[in-house]
Amino acid sequence: DQQVKQNSPSLSVQEGRISILNCDYTNSMFDYFLWYKKYPAEGPTFLISISSIKDKNEDGRFTVFLNKSAKHLSLHIVPSQPGDSAVYFCAASKHGSGNTGKLIFGQGTTLQVKP
Amino acid sequence: KAGVTQTPRYLIKTRGQQVTLSCSPISGHRSVSWYQQTPGQGLQFLFEYFSETQRNKGNFPGRFSGRQFSNSRSEMNVSTLELGDSALYLCASSLVHNEQFFGPGTRLTVL
Repeated sequence: DQQVKQNSPSLSVQEGRISILNCDYTNSMFDYFLWYKKYPAEGPTFLISISSIKDKNEDGRFTVFLNKSAKHLSLHIVPSQPGDSAVYFCAASKHGSGNTGKLIFGQGTTLQVKP
Repeated sequence: KAGVTQTPRYLIKTRGQQVTLSCSPISGHRSVSWYQQTPGQGLQFLFEYFSETQRNKGNFPGRFSGRQFSNSRSEMNVSTLELGDSALYLCASSLVHNEQFFGPGTRLTVL
């Protein structure tokens, strides 16, 4: 039962262009979403998050959009840089005493930014 | 501020042995979560500790256990290792609800 899905295992874009990474979820109780970037042999690095009360959050080159009715979120990277090449994970969480400290992760999308 | 640290970074064990992994959270963070990452299953939640108490647990067998000390440092233990326990074990700490910061992980290989 995969509650968080990243249906594209990989994505390749040209340097300077926009990268759009997608994520779908099935559990309508999720109320907080995060994106992480991961390089090989390192732990995931927190990028950006969004609460379910918002539909957009921006931080520099990174913007996350949330469409609650479609249970879909996306991460936009503009402009893409070769250093952005990594695996990107979408994660979701929900409040409640039985859910503390628990993130549900998607399977990841490998982004390659070509110079 | 120093990030999350994990020791050791790499570990090789044989089936049936037990292993203890250590995690030091970011200073001031009291919540520590543990995850297992494998190629087939992705990142899966093991358990979370806060103020020395386990608050949440994932769907892993009882061979996986953990604890947290008064300084928020945490350890996880896996007993009677199986080949399928080979994975990257990640620790994360947080201050704000579920905005977690991860350590570099411990790569465990079971032979």
